[in-house]
Amino acid sequence: GAVVSQHPSRVICKSGTSVKIECRSLDFQATTMFWYRQFPKQSLMLMATSNEGSKATYEQGVEKDKFLINHASLTLSTLTVTSAHPEDSSFYICSATVAYEQYFGPGTRLTVT
Amino acid sequence: AQSVTQLGSHVSVSEGALVLLRCNYSSSVPPYLFWYVQYPNQGLQLLLKYTSAATLVKGINGFEAEFKKSETSFHLTKPSAHMSDAAEYFCAVSDNNAGNMLTFGGGTRLMVKP
Repeated sequence: GAVVSQHPSRVICKSGTSVKIECRSLDFQATTMFWYRQFPKQSLMLMATSNEGSKATYEQGVEKDKFLINHASLTLSTLTVTSAHPEDSSFYICSATVAYEQYFGPGTRLTVT
Repeated sequence: AQSVTQLGSHVSVSEGALVLLRCNYSSSVPPYLFWYVQYPNQGLQLLLKYTSAATLVKGINGFEAEFKKSETSFHLTKPSAHMSDAAEYFCAVSDNNAGNMLTFGGGTRLMVKP
């Protein structure tokens, strides 16, 4: 099956700094990728849909200026958490759809201290 | 609007026992339904999906689920639990076959006792 990777797998940053998370489709091209957020022991919440070559579509309640998404190529989407705060600490998961199936990355655990 | 309810945030079974994880959905259009499994600190892996073909869907690792429109349910079952089945399971609904724009249930943590 298709493989989606994320980097880094874990990141710790200080409050007020920005952190970038990469999502790559390794063996296929993805015009659309999705970013989810998962709080401990909770379900996944869709944050935004990342579209190659155009602006991302954000879900209601997600601050687009805080969670910057860039999808500059068909194999890479990035999520930048700007001016991170402890409440941004979470598990961030990306996914991409190919052949009518959504493939998920392994996730990135962000801890803001 | 679509929503998914998973009854029971935690389910515990003995090894070899039947696994039953419940999922009920709400959808204004014919739904496409999915079950995913998540192991600790990992992404989600698709177990199976219902796409309006057969109502009984067989997936990987011996799991299957039955779509019951009258009950708006898509419960996940496995005849005999293995220790390796211990994980978090998510039911999800979409309004399209491609699995885009998934709405997830709250998840059920399956624990398997030896």
